[in-house]
Amino acid sequence: GAGVSQSPRYKVAKRGQDVALRCDPISGHVSLFWYQQALGQGPEFLTYFQNEAQLDKSGLPSDRFFAERPEGSVSTLKIQRTQQEDSAVYLCASNAEKVRSTDTQYFGPGTRLTVL
Amino acid sequence: AQSVSQHNHHVILSEAASLELGCNYSYGGTVNLFWYVQYPGQHLQLLLKYFSGDPLVKGIKGFEAEFIKSKFSFNLRKPSVQWSDTAEYFCAVKGVGGKLIFGQGTELSVKP
Repeated sequence: GAGVSQSPRYKVAKRGQDVALRCDPISGHVSLFWYQQALGQGPEFLTYFQNEAQLDKSGLPSDRFFAERPEGSVSTLKIQRTQQEDSAVYLCASNAEKVRSTDTQYFGPGTRLTVL
Repeated sequence: AQSVSQHNHHVILSEAASLELGCNYSYGGTVNLFWYVQYPGQHLQLLLKYFSGDPLVKGIKGFEAEFIKSKFSFNLRKPSVQWSDTAEYFCAVKGVGGKLIFGQGTELSVKP
């Protein structure tokens, strides 16, 4: 079936603008993760949803970052008043069930955000 | 804090050479370990994973990894690389709450 999709694939924003990044997980997947990948680095955890509940937001770098998943499927990551240090690839991943040890996270293609 | 270290940042090999990419993790509990690969222009894909049992794990495309608990290591190996293996490789450990903690990645370039 279809994998994880993300939109837009590329986003250029002027410093101070608000942006919204969308993630469509694999249909029926309960768990959804957001990661931030800076240039030359590995992905870093931002936040985790189980269905519509945001169970962990410990990785969000500031209160300008906000994520939601209101109906337990599509998720949106919003960044307010973007700064140049927000430039990165934002990855979404989902897995089938609650986070058991054997589950695999499936990643989307990412959204590359460039803040000018 | 949990962390993953990949000591090789960029590896250049000729086709048919053997590959070993290092990965060390810092985590005292039960470990679940992963290698992901990102081919140019594509998204992260799972190569292999370790949860329990045989410490030698076989994955797709001829890759394998060995979990050595005493060394906190999970090195990735392939006996003979191909040009199509050119990609970035990420080691990861599953942390508290299911989040993945990644190393900074190793870029592999295979010369034809």
